Formats: sequence, C-alpha cells, structure tokens
Amino acid sequence: TQLLEQSPQFLSIQEGENLTVYCNSSSVFSSLQWYRQEPGEGPVLLVTVVTGGEVKKLKRLTFQFGDARKDSSLHITAAQTGDTGLYLCAGADYNQGGKLIFGQGTELSVKP
Amino acid sequence: GAGVSQTPSNKVTEKGKYVELRCDPISGHTALYWYRQSLGQGPEFLIYFQGTGAADDSGLPNDRFFAVRPEGSVSTLKIQRTERGDSAVYLCASTPSGETQYFGPGTRLLVL
Repeated sequence: TQLLEQSPQFLSIQEGENLTVYCNSSSVFSSLQWYRQEPGEGPVLLVTVVTGGEVKKLKRLTFQFGDARKDSSLHITAAQTGDTGLYLCAGADYNQGGKLIFGQGTELSVKP
Repeated sequence: GAGVSQTPSNKVTEKGKYVELRCDPISGHTALYWYRQSLGQGPEFLIYFQGTGAADDSGLPNDRFFAVRPEGSVSTLKIQRTERGDSAVYLCASTPSGETQYFGPGTRLLVL
C-alpha cells in the first residue's frame, strides 16, 4: 500500500516568516504534485515534479523532489496572509491509471 | 472554459437513505476520478473511469457504493443505505491525459 506522510499537520506563523512542509513515502511515485485547497473548494494544482532531484520555483514557493522520487518538500519564503490554506501533496503512479495518493494535508495559518 | 462542476454542492440525508452525486467533467476529458475527503484529512481515491468503463474501483469502501459514466462524460456516484460514516466531501476530478487532474468544488454529504 502506498502512503504519503505529510508534516506538520498544523502550522501557525507570523507574516514574513519562512516555513517548510514535508511529504515522505516509502514508495516511488511517477510524479508528485502539490495542491492548495481553500475552504469549500476543490484542490488546485500548484506544481508537478517528475524528475528525482528536481527543484521548481513558483514566486515565493520552492518545491523539491527527492533524488529517489519518494519524498518532497515545499518551502515558502516570507509568508503572507494570503498563503493561508490547506496544502496537500499527492503522489501519482501512472502504472495505476494516474490515481493520486494524498498526504493528510498541512493546515497553514499566516497571521498579520 | 468551464471547469469541473458537481451537484448538489451540499446534501443532507438520513441514515439508510439513497443518494446520488453528480459530476460534470471538463469537456473532452476522457479520464474521471472520484475521491472522498473526510474532515481534516487528504482526499482518498474511490474510483477511476477511462471513457465509459471503470478502470479501477479498488477504493470503493464497500458494495453500497457504485459509480457509472454511461456516455463517457457525466458520472454519478451512488450510495445506498447511507451511514453516518459516509459523511464527507466527495470530490470529482477529470484529466485529458492522466497527468494533471482538475478538481471540482465537491459535494458535502451529511448523513444524520
């Protein structure tokens, strides 16, 4: 059974601080995706990482895929109140039709 | 263009009743996925359609759950003899290629 462990589950920080969210698994995934979910809405894709060791940047967000394609991290620099939300990592196995295995999520609260 | 839509947005029912949840995918998307998200958790895979056929239904929790996609577009998730534990947000996602999945806003099901 493929599982993704995401940590921390909750994070409350002040505006301007940096933070890192981790996503770890014992399984290898074809790709790993990061989503952000607002209350009452479905998850929205932020980034997909495919290659081991890959680093992608999206403004103040930096995503890394581990060399072995089993883990990933999301780093936010100088967090803003608009970053508040639920962040989800999800692994995809294209040999299994691309279904996503999600982590438990990280509830981020950025206070002014 | 229009995104994935789901109806109803909210459904309240009584234990033992039958419910149907509808998903309208993005036009032209051949693959459709259903997930279930319990409070404070990441989404869990239920079933995946490629065209009209269910390619993987390994996530359906038991035989009270059934889904169809008769014309390869709209899909309906059907739950018989609902139980309080079925209360969750049911998410639908579609994709043209099996990679990036586009999620709908979800249906919030509450079983009293």
